[in-house]
Amino acid sequence: EAGVAQSPRYKIIEKRQSVAFWCNPISGHATLYWYQQILGQGPKLLIQFQNNGVVDDSQLPKDRFSAERLKGVDSTLKIQPAKLEDSAVYLCASSLVGGGNIQYFGAGTRLSVL
Amino acid sequence: QKEVEQNSGPLSVPEGAIASLNCTYSDRGSQSFFWYRQYSGKSPELIMFIYSNGDKEDGRFTAQLNKASQYVSLLIRDSQPSDSATYLCAASWGNTPLVFGKGTRLSVIA
Repeated sequence: EAGVAQSPRYKIIEKRQSVAFWCNPISGHATLYWYQQILGQGPKLLIQFQNNGVVDDSQLPKDRFSAERLKGVDSTLKIQPAKLEDSAVYLCASSLVGGGNIQYFGAGTRLSVL
Repeated sequence: QKEVEQNSGPLSVPEGAIASLNCTYSDRGSQSFFWYRQYSGKSPELIMFIYSNGDKEDGRFTAQLNKASQYVSLLIRDSQPSDSATYLCAASWGNTPLVFGKGTRLSVIA
């Protein structure tokens, strides 16, 4: 079974530029999460989808971050414009509905904002 | 505010010893608890989950949950240098997103 796929693996941009990340969850996993992990910290949730609906985006900085999951499978996370403090690893995870909330993570995208 | 607390370490143990990692959580309503291992530069990898009070064993790993004390721990028996990593404790309430601690860095010395 294929795991959670993310791309790109690394991205370096200058502040005020925009960037987008892509995630493809494990097949059949209806719930998809985007987390931000700053160096030395645990992952922090940005947004949770179930199918193509948003379940929780309370911690998403909506003035600069946006995310979509149009067909209930792949998802994209966008930052526009980026700030220095957005430098982090962006992790995508997925889980089965009713699966005990066991979440599987992708390899992540490491973003450096200069 | 739901919080998960972990000692950031580093925790150093000799090879072959038992490593004990601890975690406390703020909300008594927490239902599910997870331990993830994260190697440097890699993504978190699930190693254990526990829902009920008591112990749960899987190979060299044992998770212990005490809901009355709001405490969950992970024991690693016969620690190996390959166990050196950061261990993340996470809690959830129903099907909510995981709330993670900051992680404990474990170093197993050969």
